Amino acid sequence: GAGVSQSPSNKVTEKGKDVELRCDPISGHTALYWYRQSLGQGLEFLIYFQGNSAPDKSGLPSDRFSAERTGGSVSTLTIQRTQQEDSAVYLCASSPGWANYEQYFGPGTRLTVT
Amino acid sequence: AQSVAQPEDQVNVAEGNPLTVKCTYSVSGNPYLFWYVQYPNRGLQFLLKYITGDNLVKGSYGFEAEFNKSQTSFHLKKPSALVSDSALYFCAVRDYDGGSQGNLIFGKGTKLSVKP
Repeated sequence: GAGVSQSPSNKVTEKGKDVELRCDPISGHTALYWYRQSLGQGLEFLIYFQGNSAPDKSGLPSDRFSAERTGGSVSTLTIQRTQQEDSAVYLCASSPGWANYEQYFGPGTRLTVT
Repeated sequence: AQSVAQPEDQVNVAEGNPLTVKCTYSVSGNPYLFWYVQYPNRGLQFLLKYITGDNLVKGSYGFEAEFNKSQTSFHLKKPSALVSDSALYFCAVRDYDGGSQGNLIFGKGTKLSVKP
């Protein structure tokens, strides 16, 4: 079946611009996660959605970062006023639930801020 | 605080030899442990997990991992390495009893290089 998809695959933007990254999780998966992968920081958790519960935003690095999940499916990660340190690969994952379920990752969006 | 350590940045193995990629963890409650593999320019792929039960867990592509509670370790192993196993390997933990909301804590990753 279809896996997690993300778009765009690559995004180059100028410092100060806003960007939106999209994630389509596996159909039926109630949990959705955003992570960031960069050379200096490894894999960092950003935000987590589980069903209709309030999202866990504890990993967002600043208030320039926000995310929403519409209709319990598609999610958008928005970065406002991008900075060069935002350059990274942004990974989305979904799972049937949480706790003991493995997460299925998308291919990522490579963001480059110039 | 929850954490995962992968002490080796890189592991080099000859094809056909056994391989081990090390992982140790620190959690406040019962650990849920995972291994993922990442090929160049690709997302992470799930290999195996330990939740409860047998300490030896078998996963995809012939990999297995041994959970050792006393040593707080979850090393990834394979009896005979293939060149195609060359990739970046991540160990991850979720602390169920610690009230975690479900996100994984990842190690820094270990680059596995298998030479013919």
